Amino acid sequence: GAVVSQHPSWVICKSGTSVKIECRSLDFQATTMFWYRQFPKQSLMLMATSNEGSKATYEQGVEKDKFLINHASLTLSTLTVTSAHPEDSSFYICSARGGTSGRVGTYNEQFFGPGTRLTVL
Amino acid sequence: AQRVTQPEKLLSVFKGAPVELKCNYSYSGSPELFWYVQYSRQRLQLLLRHISRESIKGFTADLNKGETSFHLKKPFAQEEDSAMYYCALLSGGYNKLIFGAGTRLAVHP
Repeated sequence: GAVVSQHPSWVICKSGTSVKIECRSLDFQATTMFWYRQFPKQSLMLMATSNEGSKATYEQGVEKDKFLINHASLTLSTLTVTSAHPEDSSFYICSARGGTSGRVGTYNEQFFGPGTRLTVL
Repeated sequence: AQRVTQPEKLLSVFKGAPVELKCNYSYSGSPELFWYVQYSRQRLQLLLRHISRESIKGFTADLNKGETSFHLKKPFAQEEDSAMYYCALLSGGYNKLIFGAGTRLAVHP
């Protein structure tokens, strides 16, 4: 199946600094990438939808100036948490959906990255 | 409002027992539903989707529009089925997924 990677797998930073998380589709072109946030023992909450070459679409309640998303190529999307604070500590997961008609492998399937654990001190 | 409800946080069964993980949805159009599974220390992966009407690892799920449900079933649970299971609904122009809260399945020997 299609593989999605994330880097770093975990990061610890000081309050007030910015952190960039990368999401890559390794063996397919991802027309759309999604960023999720998952708190301990809770479900995935969609933060934003990212389409290559266009601005991300943020879900209600997600601060676009705080969570900057760049989908510069068909294989890479980045999430930058700006001026991070302890409440931003979470598990961030990306997924990718691709193919010539927006699909690869199976119909409308999203392939998930392994996640990035962010801890803000 | 579009919503996915998984009422059980934890389902604990013994090996060989039948399993049913419940999922109900709220959606105004024609729904497209999925079950995703997350094994311990692994990434989320697709288990099955309703449109393909397939059986994966012995699991099946039938869409019941009348009851707005998409319950996941397996007649005989195995220990390796222990994992977190998420029901998800496809939504919107970008085909984003709305996830339920998840149900942890624990299969005991």
